[in-house]
Amino acid sequence: GAGVSQTPSNKVTEKGKYVELRCDPISGHTALYWYRQSLGQGPEFLIYFQGTGAADDSGLPNDRFFAVRPEGSVSTLKIQRTERGDSAVYLCASSSGSPSETQYFGPGTRLLVL
Amino acid sequence: DAKTTQPTSMDCAEGRAANLPCNHSTISGNEYVYWYRQIHSQGPQYIIHGLKNNETNEMASLIITEDRKSSTLILPHATLRDTAVYYCIVGGGSQGNLIFGKGTKLSVKP
Repeated sequence: GAGVSQTPSNKVTEKGKYVELRCDPISGHTALYWYRQSLGQGPEFLIYFQGTGAADDSGLPNDRFFAVRPEGSVSTLKIQRTERGDSAVYLCASSSGSPSETQYFGPGTRLLVL
Repeated sequence: DAKTTQPTSMDCAEGRAANLPCNHSTISGNEYVYWYRQIHSQGPQYIIHGLKNNETNEMASLIITEDRKSSTLILPHATLRDTAVYYCIVGGGSQGNLIFGKGTKLSVKP
């Protein structure tokens, strides 16, 4: 079956611009996670959805970052007024629901802010 | 901060067993030990997880000490394609997000 997919695979933007990153979770998975990975580091948690609602957004670095999951499936991570420090790989993962369930990751979106 | 400590890097000869250690002395009673790996430019790949008992699947074995303060991931016959960064993570329980450390960079050499 299809795994987690993310689009675009690569995104180059200019400082100050707005970007949207999309995640399609595994069909039927109710939990969805966003992580960010900087070069040489492990992934860092950003936000976790259970269904349509954000169950934990404590990892979002500031109010320029926002994520939605309006129908409980596809999620979009939105970054306003991008900064060069936002350059990273943005990873999405999904799981079947409870916190102890295994998370399956997508390939990531590589964001470069010039 | 990550609740695990792992060696920064390890080497293993192709065909040999790779044994990757992990310390997690502050693990809580309801937390699991997860192992993921990340091959260059790909998303993390799930390998195995366990709570108390040793676990085995088609990829690897996980040995958890009786006091649960440490564990070892075993790749029984390492191949060149097993070269990757291996992350040991303590999580699950009541908290959904995984907290990654820097992992162990495993290099399998011919």
